Amino acid sequence: DGGITQSPKYLFRKEGQNVTLSCEQNLNHDAMYWYRQDPGQGLRLIYYSQIVNDFQKGDIAEGYSVSREKKESFPLTVTSAQKNPTAFYLCASGTGGMTGELFFGEGSRLTVL
Amino acid sequence: GENVEQHPSTLSVQEGDSAVIKCTYSDSASNYFPWYKQELGKGPQLIIDIRSNVGEKKDQRIAVTLNKTAKHFSLHITETQPEDSAVYFCAASKSGANNLFFGTGTRLTVIP
Repeated sequence: DGGITQSPKYLFRKEGQNVTLSCEQNLNHDAMYWYRQDPGQGLRLIYYSQIVNDFQKGDIAEGYSVSREKKESFPLTVTSAQKNPTAFYLCASGTGGMTGELFFGEGSRLTVL
Repeated sequence: GENVEQHPSTLSVQEGDSAVIKCTYSDSASNYFPWYKQELGKGPQLIIDIRSNVGEKKDQRIAVTLNKTAKHFSLHITETQPEDSAVYFCAASKSGANNLFFGTGTRLTVIP
């Protein structure tokens, strides 16, 4: 089946540790995105990538890092510098540009203990 | 940057009734307005979108209206069904998917 796969679904981390969230797509989309979802705040863009080996900061990039070495993959690392990392993280892909439609994965819930 | 406000935050309707969710945006240059539906435990899914050169768009029981002058747009769901229960997000952009600004979401509950 074509789609976006995020893993793990649930993740627990101790303070001070980095953690990497996986996102894989087989839709042959050029663009990939990471959003953070907090209660009552909607979705906020962390990073996006329009093409392999290139990515741009979104509105809340501080404390996060990404890589885009393959078209299919866009992992997100939540570093120890992120002050409030407990959240629900959503990865999406799309054709990019003005077409607009995003295809989301089912999300990863990160809890910092 | 763009600021999108969405109301109400929660909405309960009886099955068969209509539901309306409203959003306002601040940047007059925004020209693309999608609506996403998020079911429990899943990622959001696009249900309908509208561009600024159109005032209204309909797809079966769902319609979206846009008032560019007032900078607001609304989602209308008619003949609601229990499977319409979900969180709905509006969004606005002036440059497509790379720059979507989302509203804070509306939790719709359809009571059988």
